[in-house]
Amino acid sequence: NAGVTQTPKFRVLKTGQSMTLLCAQDMNHEYMYWYRQDPGMGLRLIHYSVGEGTTAKGEVPDGYNVSRLKKQNFLLGLESAAPSQTSVYFCASSLRGGINEQFFGPGTRLTVL
Amino acid sequence: DAKTTQPPSMDCAEGRAANLPCNHSTISGNEYVYWYRQIHSQGPQYIIHGLKNNETNEMASLIITEDRKSSTLILPHATLRDTAVYYCIVSLRAGGTSYGKLTFGQGTILTVHP
Repeated sequence: NAGVTQTPKFRVLKTGQSMTLLCAQDMNHEYMYWYRQDPGMGLRLIHYSVGEGTTAKGEVPDGYNVSRLKKQNFLLGLESAAPSQTSVYFCASSLRGGINEQFFGPGTRLTVL
Repeated sequence: DAKTTQPPSMDCAEGRAANLPCNHSTISGNEYVYWYRQIHSQGPQYIIHGLKNNETNEMASLIITEDRKSSTLILPHATLRDTAVYYCIVSLRAGGTSYGKLTFGQGTILTVHP
C-alpha cells in the first residue's frame, strides 16, 4: 500500500495563478483532510471531507476550494494564489468510527511569489 | 475542544527515557488524549492515544493522571531518530457528529543527543 500520496511535491506560483493539489489514499478511508503548516507553527485545518461527494470548511478555508468526487481522492484548489498562501500543505485520511488515527502524506511545498 | 499546554522544547540523551508532559485541564469526559510527532519536513505520525487508562504500544507509553488533567508520553529508550516535534492533542473519536478534528498546537521540540 502506498498510503497517502500528494502531487506535486514542490510548486512555485506567481500571484494570481491557479493550481490544484491532489491527494490520493489507497486505504479505503472515509475521512480526508487538508492542512497547511506555516514556519514554526502547528498544522491548521483548511477543509475536510467525511465521504465521497461531501466537503466542509475547517479553520482557515478562505482562498481555497476542495472536491471529493472519488472516495480515494481529495483535491485542493487555489483559484487566485496569494503570497499569504505560501506554506507546506499536508493531506491526511482516517477511518470513520476509528480511533482518529490520521495518516498523513509527505506534503507539498508551495511558494507564491 | 480542550486546549493543551506543552513545554516548547526538551532534551534527552540517547538511550535514556524521554518523558514529555502535557496539560489538558479542560478535557471533557468523552475526549481522548492523542500524541503525534512530526520529524523534520515530514507529515505528522500517530504515536498513541488513551482515554483514562495507561496505554503502551511498540513506540511509546502514555500515562494519564487519574483526574485526566495531564498526561505524559514516555519514549523508553530514545534514539537520534526520535528527534522531532511532539504534539499532544485532545479530541473526540472520529465518527458520529465528530469528523476527527485534530487541533495541532506548537508542540514540544524533542532533541535527542548522542
